[in-house]
Amino acid sequence: EIVLTQSPGTLSLSPGEGATLSCRASQSVTSSYLAWYQQKPGQPPRLLIYGASSRATGIPDRFSGSGSGTDFTLTISRLEPEDFAVYYCQQYGSSHTFGQGTKLEIK
Amino acid sequence: QLQLQESGPGLVKPSETLSLTCTVSGGSISSGIHHWGWIRQPPGKGLEWIGTIYYSGSTYYNPSLKSRVTISVDTSKNEFSLKLTSVTAADTAVYYCARHVTSSNWAKWFDYWGQGTLVTVSS
Repeated sequence: EIVLTQSPGTLSLSPGEGATLSCRASQSVTSSYLAWYQQKPGQPPRLLIYGASSRATGIPDRFSGSGSGTDFTLTISRLEPEDFAVYYCQQYGSSHTFGQGTKLEIK
Repeated sequence: QLQLQESGPGLVKPSETLSLTCTVSGGSISSGIHHWGWIRQPPGKGLEWIGTIYYSGSTYYNPSLKSRVTISVDTSKNEFSLKLTSVTAADTAVYYCARHVTSSNWAKWFDYWGQGTLVTVSS
């Protein structure tokens, strides 16, 4: 099973700043089969990125994904108030696993 | 617009079987274009994939839950279901159903999710 480790656990930033979230896999993720989701309290996760770097429909271009192999990054430029949430990565190259999440909170 | 809705008991006793159904509207399970999955989230914790089914009945399960999980599909009702046996308090969670994007017969990311239903395991 591929284990995904997200860091940091919590990220405290201010609106307008940029955020960098990391997702590291215990083994190489096939074909960059990695997705990112955003979850707000009381809501289901929302797809942001698939294929490591492709934005889902309706996702603002301040969200970008990058990486390959075992190291992946979600970057949010110019944080908006609505971006403060928990973010999860998911690999779907070998079965399916999720990272434990990064909480992005307002500083 | 595709919608998924989970339904089932919100309270299950320890050692019993948790049963949930996901009803899909705005799209057809039997189109064969997508796989369909179950994911759970214990209160205050992260997401755990439970398993996935194709309209044909092919299933894929999380190895850590495989011995207790059965996912089935009823294309006539446009719904799929989850059964989890021998539940304990550790199975208390919000249970989500979701649609996979499917490509080359591979279940990939989740693009549509239900709102989730909380199932509590307690006597």
